[in-house]
Amino acid sequence: DTEVTQTPKHLVMGMTNKKSLKCEQHMGHRAMYWYKQKAKKPPELMFVYSYEKLSINESVPSRFSPECPNSSLLNLHLHALQPEDSALYLCASSQAGSLNQPQHFGDGTRLSIL
Amino acid sequence: GENVEQHPSTLSVQEGDSAVIKCTYSDSASNYFPWYKQELGKRPQLIIDIRSNVGEKKDQRIAVTLNKTAKHFSLHITETQPEDSAVYFCAASMALGAAGNKLTFGGGTRVLVKP
Repeated sequence: DTEVTQTPKHLVMGMTNKKSLKCEQHMGHRAMYWYKQKAKKPPELMFVYSYEKLSINESVPSRFSPECPNSSLLNLHLHALQPEDSALYLCASSQAGSLNQPQHFGDGTRLSIL
Repeated sequence: GENVEQHPSTLSVQEGDSAVIKCTYSDSASNYFPWYKQELGKRPQLIIDIRSNVGEKKDQRIAVTLNKTAKHFSLHITETQPEDSAVYFCAASMALGAAGNKLTFGGGTRVLVKP
């Protein structure tokens, strides 16, 4: 069972479009993450939200805009993307706090930019 | 920042044999080391993890060892089965308190178990 749910599973968009990726978890986790994964590469951290506040931005271009409306939801708003942004976008969640906690991943959204 | 090196990049083993994947990390502040298995088109799935105050951990056919002094850790899979075929990622993490934790992944090892 996937406890972190991402929608949509696939997304094709033009460079001038605006779209959003959604992530939802109901495990009571207070830390949520966005990763980007290119083919045959490891996931790369983009953003971390902790207690609904942005705590880490890994120098991600402003055409990616994260949002955490509540403790269960995480969005990634996309605007004016480039072909090189085509990738698998993974959401993850974990408990927050002073001790490292396992991160649980969703199935991802496969994004293609035309 | 943290840098994680993973070897080998590909590993082919005969069913029933053992597989070993090795990782090194650079930042001595890292204190949590998870391993993820990712099948084609699927999400990374946590298979085992180890914290810096533990030297070894085992879960059925999977074991992980950690050498803090040398900054390396390894995954051992015994009695491999075809369903073990996947890409395996090691990772190193440091806790950021209330800010969550920051995972840095190794480059991945593609494991093929031949029947």
